[in-house]
Amino acid sequence: DTAVSQTPKYLVTQMGNDKSIKCEQNLGHDTMYWYKQDSKKFLKIMFSYNNKELIINETVPNRFSPKSPDKAHLNLHINSLELGDSAVYFCASSQDVRQETQYFGPGTRLLVL
Amino acid sequence: AQSVTQLGSHVSVSEGALVLLRCNYSSSVPPYLFWYVQYPNQGLQLLLKYTSAATLVKGINGFEAEFKKSETSFHLTKPSAHMSDAAEYFCAGRTNDYKLSFGAGTTVTVRA
Repeated sequence: DTAVSQTPKYLVTQMGNDKSIKCEQNLGHDTMYWYKQDSKKFLKIMFSYNNKELIINETVPNRFSPKSPDKAHLNLHINSLELGDSAVYFCASSQDVRQETQYFGPGTRLLVL
Repeated sequence: AQSVTQLGSHVSVSEGALVLLRCNYSSSVPPYLFWYVQYPNQGLQLLLKYTSAATLVKGINGFEAEFKKSETSFHLTKPSAHMSDAAEYFCAGRTNDYKLSFGAGTTVTVRA
């Protein structure tokens, strides 16, 4: 039973395309996150939702749009993909916003050609 | 400015030797500190966390970390490295606005 799952695991696409990454957690957590890990393995938070409401929105291009249909799901849609969007995207969840512990998904490896 | 700083981007140890990974935090980081491990092509897994209950924190896989306020440090250690410890290790701190700020990571390689 995977606690935090992401699909797809790998995504290879052309510049200019639109793609979505899905995330689901079965831990009953209230808060979910999207992180980007660049080629140097640096991790940076992009967004956070608590009970379907956006609470953290870092300086991310507006081509990136998160959507949380319910508190168990947080999807990430990316429009007009650029070469610089190539990275590993991690979804995570925590019990609540105090986030003493975050649980991470396996990551989605996005390659933009 | 980053809230945590990891010293050394790469550490190489012999199997059976001590593993020491260094992390310093800024005073802006509340006393919630974490060490995560990332095995190749996997997500991050929590090794241990400090939440002010005890300065010496024991985690999974034989790792432990000591919170030293006087040195603003939270170094991670393991007495005897195993080949399976080869991975990327991240120190993280929870900021005042409830964000998790990660260090740049330290790659650990273990020599047979």
